[in-house]
Amino acid sequence: EIVMTQSPVTLSASPGERVTLSCRASQSIGSNLAWYQQKRGQAPRLLIYRSSTRATGIPARFSGSGSGTEFTLTISSLQSEDFAVYYCQQSNNWPPLTFGGGTKVEMK
Amino acid sequence: DVQVLESGGGLRQPGGSLRLSCAASGFTFSMYAMSWVRQRPGKGLEWVSTVTGSGSTTYYADTVKGRFTISRDNPSQTVYLQINSLRAEDTAVYFCARTHDWRYFDYWGQGTQVTVSS
Repeated sequence: EIVMTQSPVTLSASPGERVTLSCRASQSIGSNLAWYQQKRGQAPRLLIYRSSTRATGIPARFSGSGSGTEFTLTISSLQSEDFAVYYCQQSNNWPPLTFGGGTKVEMK
Repeated sequence: DVQVLESGGGLRQPGGSLRLSCAASGFTFSMYAMSWVRQRPGKGLEWVSTVTGSGSTTYYADTVKGRFTISRDNPSQTVYLQINSLRAEDTAVYFCARTHDWRYFDYWGQGTQVTVSS
């Protein structure tokens, strides 16, 4: 099973800041990585797939990069609606499909 | 518009059974795999099971293999998750999600709560 590790667990930031979230895979997963955003009490929303492709309707301030074992999600200018929990998920070697533990982006 | 709507959650005793349903619309249902993902209270996301578009092949997490059964009915555009031998650790919100390219969950329902308690 591929283990996904996200860091930091919590990130405190202010609106307008550029933030970077990290996700590491326990073995190479190529570019088979997705990022999801989940707000409290809501379903997750797909942001990025294949490491760097934005899903339908996702603003350009969200970008993803990386391959192999190291990946990042960058929010270029944090908006108030971006405070949420972010999960990465690998799909290179499954079952199982595995998620990281999440990074909570909170207001500083 | 793509819509996914779960139902069937509730409170059950340990050892009991439950069947979750997921009604989908707005896309060619048989062309997509469908999955269930759960979230235990205060925890992260956990993939549970996936069924292919035809329904012929299913996949399960080790934690649920042998107790959970995923199936689908393409004419009614519905996916099911039969849960048997319920355990306290099955308590979670269960999300149904369209599975794009066998890899990513691109549309999610709002989830249905399953609580296992005596």
